[in-house]
Amino acid sequence: EDQVTQSPEALRLQEGESSSLNCSYTVSGLRGLFWYRQDPGKGPEFLFTLYSAGEEKEKERLKATLTKKESFLHITAPKPEDSATYLCAVQAAGNSGYALNFGKGTSLLVTP
Amino acid sequence: GAGVSQSPSNKVTEKGKDVELRCDPISGHTALYWYRQRLGQGLEFLIYFQGNSAPDKSGLPSDRFSAERTGESVSTLTIQRTQQEDSAVYLCASSRTAGSGNTIYFGEGSWLTVV
Repeated sequence: EDQVTQSPEALRLQEGESSSLNCSYTVSGLRGLFWYRQDPGKGPEFLFTLYSAGEEKEKERLKATLTKKESFLHITAPKPEDSATYLCAVQAAGNSGYALNFGKGTSLLVTP
Repeated sequence: GAGVSQSPSNKVTEKGKDVELRCDPISGHTALYWYRQRLGQGLEFLIYFQGNSAPDKSGLPSDRFSAERTGESVSTLTIQRTQQEDSAVYLCASSRTAGSGNTIYFGEGSWLTVV
């Protein structure tokens, strides 16, 4: 069975304090690994898709990386506006069609 | 439209009543997904439509849940005889097609409270 585990569940950072969020996965054939940001009361906002081990993508202060077992979302010099829940999801060859299988998320709080 | 549109944004219903939630996908998107997000939980897949193919209903939790889609446009998720455990945010998403390499965009969700 496909599994997606995110850690930590919650993370509190000072503004400017860089850190990484982890997404570990086990799937029967990875089509893609997705990162989303979700603000309270809002729908998930797309950040990145990674398709193969070794791939990296960047957007502003965020950088996502992928290995065969996990993905990291690196946050460099975060600002308070980066506070949100970050969701990881996998799209697997053996999954329900092309549906995404989500982890429970990491709740990030960045304080001034 | 510019994004995935869902209505109503909030719905409070009495236990045992039926509810309908609507999703209007991004124009031109042939794939449409419904997810449920309970408070403090991850997103649970419910159902997926791809063009005119038979929908994948494997995530529907019970026969009280059903969904329809007219062609490649609007979809309706219906919950019959609602129960308190149905209280959640129901999120709709769409993508250009269902293949790899297609970004899946989410709406803002319909918040359902069953009292």
